[in-house]
Amino acid sequence: EAGVTQFPSHSVIEKGQTVTLRCDPISGHDNLYWYRRVMGKEIKFLLHFVKESKQDESGMPNNRFLAERTGGTYSTLKVQPAELEDSGVYFCASSQGSLQRPYNEQFFGPGTRLTVL
Amino acid sequence: GENVEQHPSTLSVQEGDSAVIKCTYSDSASNYFPWYKQELGKRPQLIIDIRSNVGEKKDQRIAVTLNKTAKHFSLHITETQPEDSAVYFCAALFSGSARQLTFGSGTQLTVLP
Repeated sequence: EAGVTQFPSHSVIEKGQTVTLRCDPISGHDNLYWYRRVMGKEIKFLLHFVKESKQDESGMPNNRFLAERTGGTYSTLKVQPAELEDSGVYFCASSQGSLQRPYNEQFFGPGTRLTVL
Repeated sequence: GENVEQHPSTLSVQEGDSAVIKCTYSDSASNYFPWYKQELGKRPQLIIDIRSNVGEKKDQRIAVTLNKTAKHFSLHITETQPEDSAVYFCAALFSGSARQLTFGSGTQLTVLP
């Protein structure tokens, strides 16, 4: 079974540019999450999709970040315009289950390392 | 807001020795505590988890203990091997969140041959 995949693996852009990250969850997983790890710090939650709906976007830093999950399959996270502090590793994760059963394992993707110069 | 503190940030042990990583959490109603291992260049992977109705769980050389009163949980790795070298993250599922995990800042474990 294919795991969670993310593209690209690395991205280097200049401040002010736009970048779009993509995540393909495990097939059949309704739950999709975006997390970010800034160097040396904790992995921080950004948002959670259930199918195509945003269940929780309380972790999104500001309105420069836009996440979509059209059709409830893959998701994109766009940063526009990028700032220096957006640098970090962006992880996507997916899981099965419903809100009534929260303990299902979250499977992580390999991450996208974003560097904003 | 919800918070998970993880210590130490780095840990070096000799092969064969034990390693212990500790985490504390802020929300006493938290009910699920997974541990993830991230090897260099790879994705974080779940290695063990514990729910709030259990005090200890073991899986071969790894174990997790939970002290709900003190609001802390620990990862124990016995008979460490070089392949245990990785970054380990603790996490907690807080009662107020639908499904998001709150992570600690990670521990870089190095097992010296």
